[in-house]
Amino acid sequence: GQQLNQSPQSMFIQEGEDVSMNCTSSSIFNTWLWYKQEPGEGPVLLIALYKAGELTSNGRLTAQFGITRKDSFLNISASIPSDVGIYFCAGPSGSARQLTFGSGTQLTVLP
Amino acid sequence: GAGVSQSPSNKVTEKGKDVELRCDPISGHTALYWYRQSLGQGLEFLIYFQGNSAPDKSGLPSDRFSAERTGGSVSTLTIQRTQQEDSAVYLCASSLGNRRANYGYTFGSGTRLTVV
Repeated sequence: GQQLNQSPQSMFIQEGEDVSMNCTSSSIFNTWLWYKQEPGEGPVLLIALYKAGELTSNGRLTAQFGITRKDSFLNISASIPSDVGIYFCAGPSGSARQLTFGSGTQLTVLP
Repeated sequence: GAGVSQSPSNKVTEKGKDVELRCDPISGHTALYWYRQSLGQGLEFLIYFQGNSAPDKSGLPSDRFSAERTGGSVSTLTIQRTQQEDSAVYLCASSLGNRRANYGYTFGSGTRLTVV
């Protein structure tokens, strides 16, 4: 089946720094989504991308749909402590309606 | 309700026992999904319900796993003869039935299952 590879697996950054994480796939995705999961909670949708080359922002978050349709990037600017969590990329699996999720990037923001 | 509700939030069971996990989706959401998240891992798809259509069970790992959705609303995931490798957080999500909105899942907080 389709697989999504996320990197890095974990990141430790200082408060105020910018951070970038990415997601790649061996097959083409027509939709890319980024979710954030905080401890004890389910993932929450941050950004959805529907078009190759699309760049979308949500506050301090910016995500891009790679032109090859096989990758996506998420950037967080001026990180704050509440950015801590696991960030997942996801995309629909072929003709099915369910999403395939990456393994996640664990983000820790140090004061 | 306002969000997706799952119960119980935590469940400890003995190996070999059956367990039932419950999910109440957002009212009006026709699509419902179950995922499993093992420690430090991503989300593994289990099963998908859409309206009155036959469910997509392609992600169920074995015949010990089954799920129902009654009346197009509440869903129950049943694991029979639990094994230690079944220990994980089981997440339920729901979404509207149309194509793009279908991907905007709302997740519940999950049920943490521990098999001892």
